[in-house]
Amino acid sequence: NAGVTQTPKFRVLKTGQSMTLLCAQDMNHEYMYWYRQDPGMGLRLIHYSVGEGTTAKGEVPDGYNVSRLKKQNFLLGLESAAPSQTSVYFCASSDGTRNQPQHFGDGTRLSIL
Amino acid sequence: KNEVEQSPQNLTAQEGEFITINCSYSVGISALHWLQQHPGGGIVSLFMLSSGKKKHGRLIATINIQEKHSSLHITASHPRDSAVYICAVSYPDSNYQLIWGAGTKLIIKP
Repeated sequence: NAGVTQTPKFRVLKTGQSMTLLCAQDMNHEYMYWYRQDPGMGLRLIHYSVGEGTTAKGEVPDGYNVSRLKKQNFLLGLESAAPSQTSVYFCASSDGTRNQPQHFGDGTRLSIL
Repeated sequence: KNEVEQSPQNLTAQEGEFITINCSYSVGISALHWLQQHPGGGIVSLFMLSSGKKKHGRLIATINIQEKHSSLHITASHPRDSAVYICAVSYPDSNYQLIWGAGTKLIIKP
């Protein structure tokens, strides 16, 4: 029962480096989301996807890119990491019907030095 | 602007106490979600409701649509209930995005 799996769980980067966070779900969900969580703030949506091959910007998309080449995978990329992107990143998925709960991965703790 | 506000921000109680966490929102919603985040990070959906009341074990969630307010109650609280409880809402014009509260950090002391 994997659900939503995020890799890696932890990562430390230097400013300017690039990396990709991977999210995989095995529930055949249409919708997938990337959030960031910062101390004292609610989850903020970075990008989301409503189906394979589609992506859209959320609340805080700057500095990030995403791809959904396969239905089960949603990738989040940082092209040139900045200290302001130090955060905990969560991936979530839900099925395509209205008002369904989102299922979350365990998070990726990312530090940018 | 669609906003979700939770109170209190932090709550410390003794084991066995009845706990109430509140969530208010600013405009009409299609559904309200309560989620739990344990230390160490994982986020789990507890309830989704659009009217009335739902119960699961010692957890009870209620919503008052007219007052734009929801409460999450925990009966006979236990130290394992210590977590951050998060409220989120979805609006009729967006069935895939949620607006998130900042969370309530609950600590239950033995």
